[in-house]
Amino acid sequence: QVQLKESGPGLVQPSQTLSLTCTVSGFSLTSYSVHWVRQHSGKSLEWMGRMWSDGDTSYNSAFTSRLSISRDTSKSQVFLKMNSLQTEDTGTYYCAREGYYSSSFDYWGQGVMVTVSS
Amino acid sequence: DIQMTQSPSFLSASVGERVTLSCKASQNINKYLDWYQQKLGEAPKLLIYNTNNLHTGIPSRFSGSGSGTDYTLTISSLQPEDVATYFCLQRNSWPYTFGAGTKLELK
Repeated sequence: QVQLKESGPGLVQPSQTLSLTCTVSGFSLTSYSVHWVRQHSGKSLEWMGRMWSDGDTSYNSAFTSRLSISRDTSKSQVFLKMNSLQTEDTGTYYCAREGYYSSSFDYWGQGVMVTVSS
Repeated sequence: DIQMTQSPSFLSASVGERVTLSCKASQNINKYLDWYQQKLGEAPKLLIYNTNNLHTGIPSRFSGSGSGTDYTLTISSLQPEDVATYFCLQRNSWPYTFGAGTKLELK
């Protein structure tokens, strides 16, 4: 069945770089796009960016040049890297699959909690 | 960016009651509007996509409607398991943007 699972460090120091991995199963990254979404402490959700099925990427301009999304199709993994972290980047980070017909986020990972603190 | 405004922010309702949640976009989003349910400690879950299409496995008591800038999620008969926060998402324009959510509790 379709599954996504985020992994990465729970604690990052301010000004450092966050590296997260989304490992997927049950579908191919060359057929489906994967998005990254974050949530601050149970509050609203923020769309960060997208890895298209063809390998292209799209980003939320709110993250300017801090954010990079890449993938390794042989390992069924999508990566998020964001530099210059600040305390306001604390939150839960989710990866989500884009549905083939709906273009909505039809499957989500469980999320990974990231705290930015010294 | 398109701003999504959800109302109310908090709603208390009784089991069996008909519940309506609203989402208003700052500009026309051409029905590219999804609804997600998030229970405490869980990831969001897709309920409805493109305004009125029920996602696979979602109970038929959930329905969506709307057009232009105004959209609605209706639960025809509230069940205890519907206690959650509901978010709308517009996919008409980049960046995709979510509403702030409506927290639904049982009275």
